[in-house]
Order: sequence, then C-alpha cells, then structure tokens
Amino acid sequence: AQSVTQLDSQVPVFEEAPVELRCNYSSSVSVYLFWYVQYPNQGLQLLLKYLSGSTLVKGINGFEAEFNKSQTSFHLRKPSVHISDTAEYFCAVTYGGFKTIFGAGTRLFVKA
Amino acid sequence: DGGITQSPKYLFRKEGQNVTLSCEQNLNHDAMYWYRQDPGQGLRLIYYSQIVNDFQKGDIAEGYSVSREKKESFPLTVTSAQKNPTAFYLCASSIEAHPNQPQHFGDGTRLSIL
Repeated sequence: AQSVTQLDSQVPVFEEAPVELRCNYSSSVSVYLFWYVQYPNQGLQLLLKYLSGSTLVKGINGFEAEFNKSQTSFHLRKPSVHISDTAEYFCAVTYGGFKTIFGAGTRLFVKA
Repeated sequence: DGGITQSPKYLFRKEGQNVTLSCEQNLNHDAMYWYRQDPGQGLRLIYYSQIVNDFQKGDIAEGYSVSREKKESFPLTVTSAQKNPTAFYLCASSIEAHPNQPQHFGDGTRLSIL
C-alpha cells in the first residue's frame, strides 16, 4: 500500500539553529512530492513541491527539500530557523493517480 | 483576494443531528476536496470532486455526504451516522484534478459534540 512516513512527530530546536524534517514514502514509478505548513487553527499552506527536474527544491520562507529517489525520501531543511517557524509540517505525496496521501505531520517547536 | 472560505469556524452538533459545513472558493478551480484532521493522524480524504455535478468517495466517506451543484461551492454534511464526528475539517481546491497540482486550503471548521 502507498504510504508516507514522517519520522519525527516533534522536533524541538533553538532559534537560528538548522533543522531537518524527515519524510519517506513508499516507492512508485511516478510521484509528486509536496511540503505544507500549518499554523494553529489554520489550513495548510504550500511550502514547496517537487514535480520533476532538479532534485533540490527551494520553497518559501527559506525552506528547501531534496528528492532522493534511491532512498525514497524528501527531507525538508532550513539552515537557520526563527520563532515564527513554529508550526506543524506535512509531507504529501501524489502517486500516479489522483489522491494525495499526507504524512502524520511533524510539529516544529523553535525555542528562544 | 482569491481563496477558500470555510464556515462556520466552530460548530457544535447534538446527538442525532445532521450538520452542514460550508466551503466556497473564488479561485475558479475545478477540483475540490474535503479532509478530516485528527491529532497525530494527518489528513484523511472524505470526498473529492473533479468537476461540477460529480464527486467521488475518499477513504472515510461513511457518515458524510456532499454536493457539487456549483463550481465554487462544495458543502459537506456530517450525518447522524457518523458516530465520531469530533475533528477539524479542511476544504481544499486545485486548479484541476491532476496529481501534480498543489492544493489550496481553507482555514477549517472545528466540529464538536454537545
């Protein structure tokens, strides 16, 4: 069955430190990959997407992600986080069909 | 500004009652979706619609119903058959029903049982 696994449910980090949020997905010939961010009591906002081409994708708010086909991973990174980055982050994968599968989410908590 | 409007923001349901959650978009998107979000479980698809007057069941459609009579509107009814309706409900849309299209989300409706 197709699945998306976010390896950490919570990630605490100090302000200005780097962070990596990990995402693995079940292998398939064709995938489209997304990262979304959700602030409390709000909907999800698109951070970045990988459709094809360069495996390093840059998104909004200084985030980037790297698509690794051999390891079926799409980890999200930011070199220096801010307090305002505190939120929940969702990895999402659309396989060849229509339905998007979301990971369970990673709660990023940035401490001063 | 274009976007998706969900209302109400908070909703309370009595036992045996049907309630309807509203979702309106002015993005001129063809595809619309309803998700249920529970803590630690990510988003689960309830229903989706690729075009007007057409919709399909998602993974957890039991106890829910939808309609798509207008392109901009995709209301969700939580029926009394849904025994555990307490959750955060998110409506989304995409330009077209294609797997490479990102989804745009509303700010959600939080449903609780009285």
